Amino acid sequence: ETGVTQTPRHLVMGMTNKKSLKCEQHLGHNAMYWYKQSAKKPLELMFVYNFKEQTENNSVPSRFSPECPNSSHLFLHLHTLQPEDSALYLCASSQDTSTDTQCFGPGTRLTVL
Amino acid sequence: SQQGEEDPQALSIQEGENATMNCSYKTSINNLQWYRQNSGRGLVHLILIRSNEREKHSGRLRVTLDTSKKSSSLLITASRAADTASYFCATDAAGTYKYIFGTGTRLKVLA
Repeated sequence: ETGVTQTPRHLVMGMTNKKSLKCEQHLGHNAMYWYKQSAKKPLELMFVYNFKEQTENNSVPSRFSPECPNSSHLFLHLHTLQPEDSALYLCASSQDTSTDTQCFGPGTRLTVL
Repeated sequence: SQQGEEDPQALSIQEGENATMNCSYKTSINNLQWYRQNSGRGLVHLILIRSNEREKHSGRLRVTLDTSKKSSSLLITASRAADTASYFCATDAAGTYKYIFGTGTRLKVLA
């Protein structure tokens, strides 16, 4: 266990559904990240939060909406997704954004029908 | 764009053999990291090497960095079936905190 948990581990949703992914870290870190991992493509950084403030939005479509209520929790709200959004969504945390090493959660496998 | 690109894309070896994976990148970096990912799981940090270091060891892992060639290699010695996973390098752009990951090398160690 890395100290970063993600729920649910698997999610199947239709294009008109609204769902949320949750990430929680028990490491006392202050920076949290969302990544998207699609088959045969590099891991893509989506959002970065440092001390609850969003510091990076890597040109992510507005159908993905992050929320960071505190340094331990990070959400990714999903609505009107497309089939090409199907991927493994990974959450990570680090002490802060100046820290080199990130700890990753196990990911949520998302399938959009 | 800066990206770590691993080579080969896939590698299959017998247990006990050594496995070597390479990573190339495009721009100056502060450091380079290697991560491991078991199928469908999160990434696990293996080792970090800074731009002023040339070689680093951790157990059966040996990482080298050649900044003149903008490349790094990960050597796993005496491989085990449990080493079967994908291995990624991640590089940061000097002056930023953003890490760019490559597409990974899928290693399969046959028992």
